[in-house]
Amino acid sequence: KAGVTQTPRYLIKTRGQQVTLSCSPISGHRSVSWYQQTPGQGLQFLFEYFSETQRNKGNFPGRFSGRQFSNSRSEMNVSTLELGDSALYLCASSLDGGSSGNTIYFGEGSWLTVV
Amino acid sequence: AQSVTQLDSQVPVFEEAPVELRCNYSSSVSVYLFWYVQYPNQGLQLLLKYLSGSTLVKGINGFEAEFNKSQTSFHLRKPSVHISDTAEYFCAVSEIGSGAGSYQLTFGKGTKLSVIP
Repeated sequence: KAGVTQTPRYLIKTRGQQVTLSCSPISGHRSVSWYQQTPGQGLQFLFEYFSETQRNKGNFPGRFSGRQFSNSRSEMNVSTLELGDSALYLCASSLDGGSSGNTIYFGEGSWLTVV
Repeated sequence: AQSVTQLDSQVPVFEEAPVELRCNYSSSVSVYLFWYVQYPNQGLQLLLKYLSGSTLVKGINGFEAEFNKSQTSFHLRKPSVHISDTAEYFCAVSEIGSGAGSYQLTFGKGTKLSVIP
């Protein structure tokens, strides 16, 4: 079956702009989570959604937001982009968010460059 | 809160030699443990996970890991590496339970494994 699909794969934005990244989870998965990966900070948890509800949020400013739709697809938005937002943004899906040890599957990521 | 420490940021090893990538964690609650691999320009792929039971866990591509509760470690091993194992490896934990912390993975900084021909 199809894996976690993220679009776009690569994008370049200018400081001050906003960006929306999209994620389609594996069919049947109701949990979607987002992570930011940078060389300096590594992999950091942004937020997790289950059945359209945000259940957990990482330590990121309010410029980072997300949502989940009724078909489990998810989007994350970053407003007022800063240079430091340049990163690989990874989406992950699972049946239940991993709370029972179910595997969390990752997409290939969206590479965001802010100039 | 949890934290994960991967003791080596880079590990060079000759092809067909054994390798061990070290991972220690800290948590005030019980956790599940995971190893993920990331090949260049790709996402993360699960190698193996420890949920409960036998402390020796076997994963894909010939990797295995041993959970040591007393030392709070979860080291990854492979008896003979191949060029194709060159990648970055991440150790991760998640809380057991139903709280908000159980819905996220906390990752170590990663270990870059370079296999030398």
